[in-house]
Amino acid sequence: EIVLTQSPGTLSLSPGERAALSCRASQSVSSSYLAWYQQKPGQPPRRLIYGASSRATGIPDRISGSGSGTDFTLTISRLEPEDFAVYYCQQYGSAPYTFGQGTRLEIK
Amino acid sequence: EVQLVESGGGLIQPGGSLRLSCAASGFTFSTYDMSWVRQAPGKGLEWISFISHSSSAIYYAGSVKGRFTISRDNAKNSLYLQMNTLRDDDMAVYYCARVTWGFDYWGQGTLVTVSS
Repeated sequence: EIVLTQSPGTLSLSPGERAALSCRASQSVSSSYLAWYQQKPGQPPRRLIYGASSRATGIPDRISGSGSGTDFTLTISRLEPEDFAVYYCQQYGSAPYTFGQGTRLEIK
Repeated sequence: EVQLVESGGGLIQPGGSLRLSCAASGFTFSTYDMSWVRQAPGKGLEWISFISHSSSAIYYAGSVKGRFTISRDNAKNSLYLQMNTLRDDDMAVYYCARVTWGFDYWGQGTLVTVSS
């Protein structure tokens, strides 16, 4: 089983700042089958990034994903008020399709 | 418009059984793999099961293997999760999700409460 570890657990930033969220895998994620999701209270998750760096439909270009192998990063270049939420990474290259424990992005 | 609507959640005693359903619309259900994901109150996401479009491949998380059974009926555009021998730690919101380069569409979830 691939274990995903996200850091930091909580990130406190102000609107307009840049956020970098990390996701580290216990073993290589095959073919960069790594996705990022955003979840707001009372809502299901929303896919932001797939294939480690491809933006999902409707996701603004200030949100980007990078990385390969065991180290992945979600970057939000200029934080907007709607970006404050919880973010999860997930590997879907091999079952079980594990999620990281999440990073809470909060307003400073 | 793609829609996934879960149903079947509710209050169940420990040791009991429950069957969740997910009704799909707005896409050709029979050509997509599907999964179930759950989220305990105040906790993170936990993937629990996957089924391929033809039901030829099925996977489970270790936490539910042997107790939960995923299935689908392509003629009815429906996904199911049969949950047996429910435990306190199975209490969660259960989401169905379409599998395409990760999970691209999610339902709103159905709450399963396990309590005596």
